[in-house]
Amino acid sequence: NAGVTQTPKFQVLKTGQSMTLQCAQDMNHEYMSWYRQDPGMGLRLIHYSVGAGITDQGEVPNGYNVSRSTTEDFPLRLLSAAPSQTSVYFCASSHSVFRVIPSGANVLTFGAGSRLTVL
Amino acid sequence: DQQVKQNSPSLSVQEGRISILNCDYTNSMFDYFLWYKKYPAEGPTFLISISSIKDKNEDGRFTVFLNKSAKHLSLHIVPSQPGDSAVYFCAASAATGTASKLTFGTGTRLQVTL
Repeated sequence: NAGVTQTPKFQVLKTGQSMTLQCAQDMNHEYMSWYRQDPGMGLRLIHYSVGAGITDQGEVPNGYNVSRSTTEDFPLRLLSAAPSQTSVYFCASSHSVFRVIPSGANVLTFGAGSRLTVL
Repeated sequence: DQQVKQNSPSLSVQEGRISILNCDYTNSMFDYFLWYKKYPAEGPTFLISISSIKDKNEDGRFTVFLNKSAKHLSLHIVPSQPGDSAVYFCAASAATGTASKLTFGTGTRLQVTL
């Protein structure tokens, strides 16, 4: 099935360790993004990309790095994990960067999520 | 500063009745609004959207109303079904810049009881 694939689904890290959350989409979507979900905080944007080679910061970028070398992949890197990064992470993509009305080009398609625990 | 607010963390409704979920926003640049539904251990899935040029959009049992002057939108589910039990997120985007960059609310957990 076409869609957004995230790996791993679960991960436990120790403080200070590094890791990469993988995200891949096969819909030729232009826009990709990472959100984290925390209780009482909703979904907060970490980083996003409007195309290969172009990334930008969202609302909560500190402690995370991203890159977009291909249209399909948008990995999220934690360089030195902290307990405050314990969260559920969602990758999401959409067809178009720009507003297209009335089509659904700006509707985000989400992956199933990656649950990260930092001890 | 929370630009999209869902002030009710939870809502319980009987099966067959109407569910009304509310959302308020503060950024006057927002011009496209979406509702997402999320089941446990799954990613959010798109439910319904509305452009600021409209005040109502309907899709089956789901209707979204937009009141631009009050910066308020609501999602009506009629009739509510047990399968509607989930967390609902309101989201908004602005036409300027990156239109797919969505700002989400904190979510409302809907429980539909038998």
